[in-house]
Amino acid sequence: GAGVSQTPSNKVTEKGKYVELRCDPISGHTALYWYRQSLGQGPEFLIYFQGTGAADDSGLPNDRFFAVRPEGSVSTLKIQRTERGDSAVYLCASSLTGRARTEAFFGQGTRLTVV
Amino acid sequence: SQQGEEDPQALSIQEGENATMNCSYKTSINNLQWYRQNSGRGLVHLILIRSNEREKHSGRLRVTLDTSKKSSSLLITASRAADTASYFCATDSQRNNDMRFGAGTRLTVKP
Repeated sequence: GAGVSQTPSNKVTEKGKYVELRCDPISGHTALYWYRQSLGQGPEFLIYFQGTGAADDSGLPNDRFFAVRPEGSVSTLKIQRTERGDSAVYLCASSLTGRARTEAFFGQGTRLTVV
Repeated sequence: SQQGEEDPQALSIQEGENATMNCSYKTSINNLQWYRQNSGRGLVHLILIRSNEREKHSGRLRVTLDTSKKSSSLLITASRAADTASYFCATDSQRNNDMRFGAGTRLTVKP
């Protein structure tokens, strides 16, 4: 595709429910990043994939959060037993190579609201 | 955890003035990048500077990097109202290969 695509653009869910957020990176980009951002804050690192493997998942806040990238392209961020504090904009980015050596292209984000 | 910290947190200037934003970081880096964000959604890459570079230009943007002080600055010259946005620095580190952001500087350019 022309850019990084994230779906859905908005998601409202009830506390305790399970949600999946999808990211379609730019074709051929091996590196993929997930961030979450609260109002007035910078993007908070969650996880970084290089190909199919999670090269660094140290930013995942707890075991309710999990992400996969089974074929080295599309990635899904999964949140179990959602809490109100999970409400944020979840951003995905991809880059041609990893290690922040090249510019990253961001999607428009998924705004998650847990009620 | 965040790697970079920008200052000031907020900056308000008149159109035509220059805007300078600073970024400090904690660990040794390979690269530092600056991004811009409008309306709290997707970020747009502005410029990348490598650890062996000291200064880089792109249009009205000038970025400097001082690895001895672990700091970088972004200068926007002849600012325009359309430059109003949040600006973030992002660093990798020589220890982690991911990319981490600071809290950003919110720039307002008044027409």
